[in-house]
Amino acid sequence: KQEVTQIPAALSVPEGENLVLNCSFTDSAIYNLQWFRQDPGKGLTSLLLIQSSQREQTSGRLNASLDKSSGRSTLYIAASQPGDSATYLCAVSYSGGYQKVTFGTGTKLQVIP
Amino acid sequence: EPEVTQTPSHQVTQMGQEVILRCVPISNHLYFYWYRQILGQKVEFLVSFYNNEISEKSEIFDDQFSVERPDGSNFTLKIRSTKLEDSAMYFCASSGNRAGANVLTFGAGSRLTVL
Repeated sequence: KQEVTQIPAALSVPEGENLVLNCSFTDSAIYNLQWFRQDPGKGLTSLLLIQSSQREQTSGRLNASLDKSSGRSTLYIAASQPGDSATYLCAVSYSGGYQKVTFGTGTKLQVIP
Repeated sequence: EPEVTQTPSHQVTQMGQEVILRCVPISNHLYFYWYRQILGQKVEFLVSFYNNEISEKSEIFDDQFSVERPDGSNFTLKIRSTKLEDSAMYFCASSGNRAGANVLTFGAGSRLTVL
């Protein structure tokens, strides 16, 4: 059974810091990996999707990397802002045509002004 | 930007009652999903739907659950006889079919409270 784990479970940083969130998965035969953001009581917003053939993806201040062989992905957030405060989830897909994904445990981020 | 819309945003029901949660996926997407998140727990896969039939379902998706695409736009999740443990946030999602564009787009969720 696929397990997806995220470390740390919670993180509190002062505004302006660069930070790294970690995601690990037990089965490296993934199709793609997606990072989501979840605000309290709200839905899931897709941030970045990395295909299994890619090493990284960037969007603005966010950079996600993927190391399939070691079963790891990281989400790097540069120059953090209070608006970045949310729970960040990684989700792994093993199928090609559709997206049954397995979600990680999440990292709750608080950026302090 | 296209979005997935879900109704109702919150529903309170008595145990044993039937509930229907509704979703309007993104119009040119072909794959539709339901996920759920019990408070404080992981987001879990329930079911995927393609070409008017279930393509995969989890062990959570037992005989009490059903899905339907009654017309060209709506996608519904029905729980026949709700139990206390069905209380959760239910998320609808959709995705396209083009290789490299399988970004899952989620709705805002429907919070179900079973009393």
